[in-house]
Amino acid sequence: EAGVAQSPRYKIIEKRQSVAFWCNPISGHATLYWYQQILGQGPKLLIQFQNNGVVDDSQLPKDRFSAERLKGVDSTLKIQPAKLEDSAVYLCASSSPRSSGTAYGYTFGSGTRLTVV
Amino acid sequence: GDSVTQMEGPVTLSEEAFLTINCTYTATGYPSLFWYVQYPGEGLQLLLKATKADDKGSNKGFEATYRKETTSFHLEKGSVQVSDSAVYFCALMNSGYSTLTFGKGTMLLVSP
Repeated sequence: EAGVAQSPRYKIIEKRQSVAFWCNPISGHATLYWYQQILGQGPKLLIQFQNNGVVDDSQLPKDRFSAERLKGVDSTLKIQPAKLEDSAVYLCASSSPRSSGTAYGYTFGSGTRLTVV
Repeated sequence: GDSVTQMEGPVTLSEEAFLTINCTYTATGYPSLFWYVQYPGEGLQLLLKATKADDKGSNKGFEATYRKETTSFHLEKGSVQVSDSAVYFCALMNSGYSTLTFGKGTMLLVSP
């Protein structure tokens, strides 16, 4: 099966600018996650969707970050305005309990590396 | 809240050496435990998992045993290869949830 697709792969922006990341999960995976991985740290959950509804966004900085999953398939994560501390890799993952070969069908994309200057 | 603590790296070994990367956790309930690996320039890949106490996860020569009494899930490999050079993340998933809590990661560097 095709993996989790993310774009762009890299992005460099100036602080106070806006940026958007796109994720296409594995076909049929109902649950979609966005994680933030700051250099030298483990990934941290930002938001979890089940179909097109938000399950957990308790760690999403809502004053500047927003995310949506229209139609329960693709998802977009937006940052506006960006700060220097938002420099990180943004990982998208999707899961389905019925998938085999991974923990609860969890598959990560390759991520988008954001640099804010 | 849930947390995972890993030994700091980098861990530097010669090829064929024995590897141990320590991982301990704090969680309510009965979490499942995982090791993920991230090769340079690539995404996270599941290496192995254990879902209950005393389970042993294994894959590609790596092993880890879920020790509830010591809240640990140490990663081991008997003979490392240069190709094992990567960052290794210990993670947990608490029962009733599907989100992962990760440790900070441990970089492994294996020289010929």
